Amino acid sequence: DGGITQSPKYLFRKEGQNVTLSCEQNLNHDAMYWYRQDPGQGLRLIYYSQIVNDFQKGDIAEGYSVSREKKESFPLTVTSAQKNPTAFYLCASSWDRGSQPQHFGDGTRLSIL
Amino acid sequence: AQKITQTQPGMFVQEKEAVTLDCTYDTSDQSYGLFWYKQPSSGEMIFLIYQGSYDEQNATEGRYSLNFQKARKSANLVISASQLGDSAMYFCAMREYTSGATNKLIFGTGTLLAVQP
Repeated sequence: DGGITQSPKYLFRKEGQNVTLSCEQNLNHDAMYWYRQDPGQGLRLIYYSQIVNDFQKGDIAEGYSVSREKKESFPLTVTSAQKNPTAFYLCASSWDRGSQPQHFGDGTRLSIL
Repeated sequence: AQKITQTQPGMFVQEKEAVTLDCTYDTSDQSYGLFWYKQPSSGEMIFLIYQGSYDEQNATEGRYSLNFQKARKSANLVISASQLGDSAMYFCAMREYTSGATNKLIFGTGTLLAVQP
């Protein structure tokens, strides 16, 4: 079955530690995205990539980094510079055509120890 | 500036009744798309329905329909014959097509729907 796989489902970070969230898709989509969701709020865009080896900052990119070395993979690193990383992180992908919906993974819940 | 507003933080509906979830948007673009997503308590985002700004007919997908009023900049989601499994958070989102980032989605803050038996 085609879809988006995020791992791990739950992640704990210690102070000063970088952690990496995995996102893999087998839908052959061109574009991939990372969103952050805080309790009771909508999704905010962290980074997005419309093509391999290229990505752009979203609205809240500070303290995060990404790479897009393969079409199917778009990992997100939460660095120690992100002072409030506790949130639910969602990865999405879509065709690079405007009317096509974004398809989402099941999310990773990150907490601070 | 582009913005999505969902003014209903939470709603109740009786099973088998219809319910309307409100969404208004703000954009200066003439070409844009509106999306509705459902987020159950498990967390995944499920795409429900899409409406393009130039679509003349209101979108429908099974029990979901979109009441699109372009002049009022509203795109309300109507769920007919509510089921217990419809209990979830619902998000309205917009994508502008004439700005640089053509795939960027802006989300509202969501409406929590509870279907009562």
